[in-house]
Amino acid sequence: AQTVTQSQPEMSVQEAETVTLSCTYDTSESDYYLFWYKQPPSRQMILVIRQEAYKQQNATENRFSVNFQKAAKSFSLKISDSQLGDAAMYFCAYGGTQGGSEKLVFGKGTKLTVNP
Amino acid sequence: EAGVAQSPRYKIIEKRQSVAFWCNPISGHATLYWYQQILGQGPKLLIQFQNNGVVDDSQLPKDRFSAERLKGVDSTLKIQPAKLEDSAVYLCASSPRAGNVHGYTFGSGTRLTVV
Repeated sequence: AQTVTQSQPEMSVQEAETVTLSCTYDTSESDYYLFWYKQPPSRQMILVIRQEAYKQQNATENRFSVNFQKAAKSFSLKISDSQLGDAAMYFCAYGGTQGGSEKLVFGKGTKLTVNP
Repeated sequence: EAGVAQSPRYKIIEKRQSVAFWCNPISGHATLYWYQQILGQGPKLLIQFQNNGVVDDSQLPKDRFSAERLKGVDSTLKIQPAKLEDSAVYLCASSPRAGNVHGYTFGSGTRLTVV
């Protein structure tokens, strides 16, 4: 079974600075997807960025970028120029197709605080 | 595009009572998911529907939880009878088709408190 580990329960960053959130995963599949979701107090999970495992190029979405190391099974999220609105829970998620189910397997999350 | 709608937003019940949650996915989305998110943890899949058929319900506690998706659109998740450990946020999500390539669109969830 796939597992996702986020080793940082909480992180903090100064406004306008850069922060990196860590994520490792375990799988025996060769084709899969990785995601970072943001969950503000409103509870809605918002997709931040996604990475296809077959792509070597790291995904980038504006101020958000990932460092995908397939051999090491590592998938970290870098937030540049942090803004107050970035404060939220961040969840790393693995998406595979084992058994025909396209479920997402989530880590326990990292609470990000942005200090003004 | 309207998002995934869920109701109610909050629900407080006593243990052994029953409760139902409702989800309306994005129009045209074939795949619908129910996730359970216990406080301090990431969401965990309870059940996945493809149209009105069940794809995966391996982690659904079938002695007390049930779900249906009539006509392949709206879905309801029911708990009967509820236990204290069922206190959680129940998230509904939908995707256009099978496959994870785009990720899901989630609703805002229902926060259930069992006392």
